[in-house]
Amino acid sequence: AQTVTQSQPEMSVQEAETVTLSCTYDTSESNYYLFWYKQPPSRQMILVIRQEAYKQQNATENRFSVNFQKAAKSFSLKISDSQLGDTAMYFCAFTEEGGGADGLTFGKGTHLIIQP
Amino acid sequence: EPEVTQTPSHQVTQMGQEVILRCVPISNHLYFYWYRQILGQKVEFLVSFYNNEISEKSEIFDDQFSVERPDGSNFTLKIRSTKLEDSAMYFCASTLGQGALGEQYFGPGTRLTVT
Repeated sequence: AQTVTQSQPEMSVQEAETVTLSCTYDTSESNYYLFWYKQPPSRQMILVIRQEAYKQQNATENRFSVNFQKAAKSFSLKISDSQLGDTAMYFCAFTEEGGGADGLTFGKGTHLIIQP
Repeated sequence: EPEVTQTPSHQVTQMGQEVILRCVPISNHLYFYWYRQILGQKVEFLVSFYNNEISEKSEIFDDQFSVERPDGSNFTLKIRSTKLEDSAMYFCASTLGQGALGEQYFGPGTRLTVT
């Protein structure tokens, strides 16, 4: 069974700083997908960024980027120029490659607080 | 922009009662999911649904749970006899494509409180 571990229950940084959230996972699969989801106080789950395991290039979406280390099974999220609106729970998630039946396996989340 | 909707936003029920949580996935999506998040804990996969049948389910999804797509738009989760430990946020999600290439779009969730 796959597991996803987020070792930082909470992080706090000042606005405009850069912050990195860590995530490790365990799987025996060679092809899979990794995601970071944001859950603001409204509780809506919003996809932040996605990484396909077969791609060596790290995904980037505006201020959000990942450091994907396949051999180490590590998938960290870097938020540059952090903004107050980035305050939220951030969940790392994993799914195997395959049919659309695959559910996501989530980590326990990191509560990120951006201080003004 | 199309979105997944869920009703009600909050449901309070007594232990032993049946509840039905409703979701309207994005109209052209093919795969549908239910997830659960107990307060303060991680989001957990319950079930996936494709072509009018369950594709995959977790060990949480026992006989008290069922899903249905009664018409072309709604996707429901029924809990037959609720327990206190069923209190949680329930999220519906849908995706267009196969596998994880299809981003799962989540609804806003239904908070279920069992008393």
